[in-house]
Amino acid sequence: AQKVTQAQTEISVVEKEDVTLDCVYETRDTTYYLFWYKQPPSGELVFLIRRNSFDEQNEISGRYSWNFQKSTSSFNFTITASQVVDSAVYFCAVPYSGAGSYQLTFGKGTKLSVIP
Amino acid sequence: DSGVTQTPKHLITATGQRVTLRCSPRSGDLSVYWYQQSLDQGLQFLIQYYNGEERAKGNILERFSAQQFPDLHSELNLSSLELGDSALYFCASSVAPINSGANVLTFGAGSRLTVL
Repeated sequence: AQKVTQAQTEISVVEKEDVTLDCVYETRDTTYYLFWYKQPPSGELVFLIRRNSFDEQNEISGRYSWNFQKSTSSFNFTITASQVVDSAVYFCAVPYSGAGSYQLTFGKGTKLSVIP
Repeated sequence: DSGVTQTPKHLITATGQRVTLRCSPRSGDLSVYWYQQSLDQGLQFLIQYYNGEERAKGNILERFSAQQFPDLHSELNLSSLELGDSALYFCASSVAPINSGANVLTFGAGSRLTVL
């Protein structure tokens, strides 16, 4: 069955520091997608990125970057030069298939606090 | 605004009562998912509907039920409420096809239920 482990429950960094959030997943699928979502203090869940297991190239979007390594089943997320607005809970997720449809299985999340 | 509308935003009720949470998906999205977020269990998938039909069930209690109407809005009914049902309930929607792990779920702002 699909499983996502985010070992870091809480992380605190000082503004402008870089921070990496770890994600280790288990999946029975040979091809799959991986996701990151962000939940700011306001509570909504916001989609950040989707990666295909075929593509192991690192992806960069502004201050955000993602390192996907299929060999270690990891999909880590790095924020460069963190800002206070990055303070949120970040969730890694992997799709789980049942009865012909997919749902997302989420990790427990990592709470990031960026201190000014 | 994600385009997924959930009402009510907050709800306080007593044990033993019944409540209904409502969700309107993004325009064009046929699939609706319900998730429960609690401190101890994290984000748990409850149930999924596609174009009016139930497609998958997760960790949904027998006291809970849901449906999706012809206009695609969905309702989650929670009955015989217990203290442990206090949680943030999210609705998400996605565009077809549902048999793809590539689907990006767009979440609503959630309905926070407090059972006293």
